Amino acid sequence: SQTIHQWPATLVQPVGSPLSLECTVEGTSNPNLYWYRQAAGRGLQLLFYSVGIGQISSEVPQNLSASRPQDRQFILSSKKLLLSDSGFYLCAWTSSGSTDTQYFGPGTRLTVL
Amino acid sequence: GQQVMQIPQYQHVQEGEDFTTYCNSSTTLSNIQWYKQRPGGHPVFLIQLVKSGEVKKQKRLTFQFGEAKKNSSLHITATQTTDVGTYFCAGTGGSYIPTFGRGTSLIVHP
Repeated sequence: SQTIHQWPATLVQPVGSPLSLECTVEGTSNPNLYWYRQAAGRGLQLLFYSVGIGQISSEVPQNLSASRPQDRQFILSSKKLLLSDSGFYLCAWTSSGSTDTQYFGPGTRLTVL
Repeated sequence: GQQVMQIPQYQHVQEGEDFTTYCNSSTTLSNIQWYKQRPGGHPVFLIQLVKSGEVKKQKRLTFQFGEAKKNSSLHITATQTTDVGTYFCAGTGGSYIPTFGRGTSLIVHP
């Protein structure tokens, strides 16, 4: 069966520090991968999506970036965090070529102080 | 671009009352999905609707997809405290990018 992992679960970082969040998927090949951010009490904001290794599309211009170095690995990064980067970061996957069910990881709760 | 509006944003009910959340898309959808996010948790898939006028039921939950495939609803009969959470719809118009509604937070008072 397929599983999706995210780490860390919780992170507190000072303003201006770098960020690296990792997401890995098991049990499937060539998934579509997504990064979302959810501010407290708000909806899901799509940040990046990827349909294959090295293929990244950005939905919202900001100081975040994403990379997909391996088929089932998706990384969200920042060189310098802002206060507004605080939120709940969710990774999700769908089957290749599909617009079906999105499976979400457990998320990373990021607080920037 | 495609937009999905979801109302209401919040809904308080007494346990045992019914609850409905509505989604409306600015464009015709290929399919629509519903997710539930418990407080502190991540969204979990509930169901997908594909056909015009489709109605699906999961125990006390009834999901509908409009005839024009531009709107959808989720109805919960006789809410329970376990129904607490935020319910999201997500519409897909044929790309890999689903558009999520802002969600409806359901608060059930015992």
